[in-house]
Amino acid sequence: EDKVVQSPLSLVVHEGDTVTLNCSYEVTNFRSLLWYKQEKKAPTFLFMLTSSGIEKKSGRLSSILDKKELFSILNITATQTGDSAVYLCAVVSPNAGKSTFGDGTTLTVKP
Amino acid sequence: DGGITQSPKYLFRKEGQNVTLSCEQNLNHDAMYWYRQDPGQGLRLIYYSQIVNDFQKGDIAEGYSVSREKKESFPLTVTSAQKNPTAFYLCASSIDRSSYEQYFGPGTRLTVT
Repeated sequence: EDKVVQSPLSLVVHEGDTVTLNCSYEVTNFRSLLWYKQEKKAPTFLFMLTSSGIEKKSGRLSSILDKKELFSILNITATQTGDSAVYLCAVVSPNAGKSTFGDGTTLTVKP
Repeated sequence: DGGITQSPKYLFRKEGQNVTLSCEQNLNHDAMYWYRQDPGQGLRLIYYSQIVNDFQKGDIAEGYSVSREKKESFPLTVTSAQKNPTAFYLCASSIDRSSYEQYFGPGTRLTVT
């Protein structure tokens, strides 16, 4: 059974701090890893990672994948209160594009 | 304005009743998915469909049923056989089976008492 584990489960920081969220996985057939941000309702797509060692960047967010050690990290620099959300990691298997999600990391950024 | 709509936003039902959650998309996506989310947990796949008139069970299909008679629509029925139906239900779609990015609807929060 495919498994995705995220850590920490929750994190409280102050504005301006830098955070690192972790996602490790055990899957039978790996295709790609996705990061989503969920604020109250629907998750919104952040990054898709397929190749090891190539950093994806969007503003203050960045992510990288290590396919040898089977993990990914999501970094957020200079955090803002608007970054408060649940961050979900999902691994996609090549069979019909099925995704397995982790339990998420709840990030709270205090002013 | 393209997107995925789910209705209703909140739904209350008595135990023993079947209930159907609506999911409609106008993105012309082939693939559609239903997930369940419980507090403090990630998304668990209930059913998915790659094409009209075809669907597959996900990881927690017991007590649920779906249909895919039209490309735009993928309704989920929560039956009385589902032992713990109270949860947040999310519908998603993707362009096709090889596309990994899923677009999510706003969700339906179902409470069964």
